[in-house]
Amino acid sequence: EIVLTQSPGTLSLSPGERATLSCRASQSMSSNYLAWYQQKLGQAPRLLMYGASSRATGIPDRFIGTGSGTDFTLTISRLEPEDFAVYYCQQYGRSLWTFGQGTKVEIK
Amino acid sequence: EVQLVQSGAEVKKPGESLKISCEGSGYNFNSYWIAWVRQMPGKGLEWMGNIYPGDSDTTYGPSFQGQVTISADESISTAYLQWSSLKASDTAMYYCARRGMGATQGLDYWGQGTLVTVSS
Repeated sequence: EIVLTQSPGTLSLSPGERATLSCRASQSMSSNYLAWYQQKLGQAPRLLMYGASSRATGIPDRFIGTGSGTDFTLTISRLEPEDFAVYYCQQYGRSLWTFGQGTKVEIK
Repeated sequence: EVQLVQSGAEVKKPGESLKISCEGSGYNFNSYWIAWVRQMPGKGLEWMGNIYPGDSDTTYGPSFQGQVTISADESISTAYLQWSSLKASDTAMYYCARRGMGATQGLDYWGQGTLVTVSS
């Protein structure tokens, strides 16, 4: 089973700043099977990125996914008020899928 | 419009059985994997398992193998998650989600969640 470790646990930033979220896999994996989700309080998660770098339908271009091997990054180029939420990475390349533990992006 | 609509909140006692549902609409239900995801209070997302309704091919996460049963009824476009004997530690929000078409797709549509509370 691939374990995903996200860092930092919490990111305190102001609107307009850049957010950089990390997701590290316990073993090398295909970037084709790495997704990012956003979850706001009281809501179901929402798919942001798939295949590490492809934006899901309707996701603005301030969300940028990069990475390969064991290291993946979600960058939010300029935080909007609606971007403050919890973000999860997920791998789905093997038969056993896993999520990271999440990174909370909070208003500083 | 693609929708996944889950059954309502449940309050159960330890040892009771439970089956919750997830009805898909607006797409060919048989052709997309459905995943179940647990979120315990104040915690992160945990993948429980998947089912492909077209042939009922099912995979379980290691922590959930033997603890729950995932099934689907393609005739009514509905997936299920069931327990034979609930524990207090099963208290959580449970989400179903559809994996998009194509090998690289993530979980593109999610149900609204079913809150399960297990308490004596």
